[in-house]
Amino acid sequence: LAKTTQPISMDSYEGQEVNITCSHNNIATNDYITWYQQFPSQGPRFIIQGYKTKVTNEVASLFIPADRKSSTLSLPRVSLSDTAVYYCLVGFQTGANNLFFGTGTRLTVIP
Amino acid sequence: EAGVTQFPSHSVIEKGQTVTLRCDPISGHDNLYWYRRVMGKEIKFLLHFVKESKQDESGMPNNRFLAERTGGTYSTLKVQPAELEDSGVYFCASSHPSLAGTTYEQYFGPGTRLTVT
Repeated sequence: LAKTTQPISMDSYEGQEVNITCSHNNIATNDYITWYQQFPSQGPRFIIQGYKTKVTNEVASLFIPADRKSSTLSLPRVSLSDTAVYYCLVGFQTGANNLFFGTGTRLTVIP
Repeated sequence: EAGVTQFPSHSVIEKGQTVTLRCDPISGHDNLYWYRRVMGKEIKFLLHFVKESKQDESGMPNNRFLAERTGGTYSTLKVQPAELEDSGVYFCASSHPSLAGTTYEQYFGPGTRLTVT
């Protein structure tokens, strides 16, 4: 079971870059790393997914070291609207034994 | 493009009653998933449909829960009879036909908040 460990909460000022690190020491060869964002009263929203090295899209970047035992979600220049809970998921096949949301990281962006 | 929709948004029922939740996935998404979050806990996987077939229902808590996806379009999740511990938010998600590495790119609905009293 590829469980993940993330900080419970983080605070950041508007305009700063935010990096949220996730530990996944027992990641399997076929596992991908996926990040979701969730606002109150909404379902999670896919942000980014990667397997190794670096992935970048219009929203965020995902940095994955060579050993893949951790990953870092980077949000450039956060705004108040980025206040949300961010989940790191590791796995490939869905199922009760493979899809684990965890508690996520509650990011609060301060004006 | 319309997103995943769920109905109702909120349901309050008494213990022992029956409730049916509905999910309409994004058009063309063969994969449909149900999840739930009970109060204070993490989001937990319930089951996964590929078209009308149950691919994985290992997360279903017990036989009081029945999920169907007739015709491979919308899905329903019935709880009968409901118990107090069934209270929580039930999320539905869908994804495009599976491509390597995109299993987890799922699109979630807003959820149905179920309260059993």
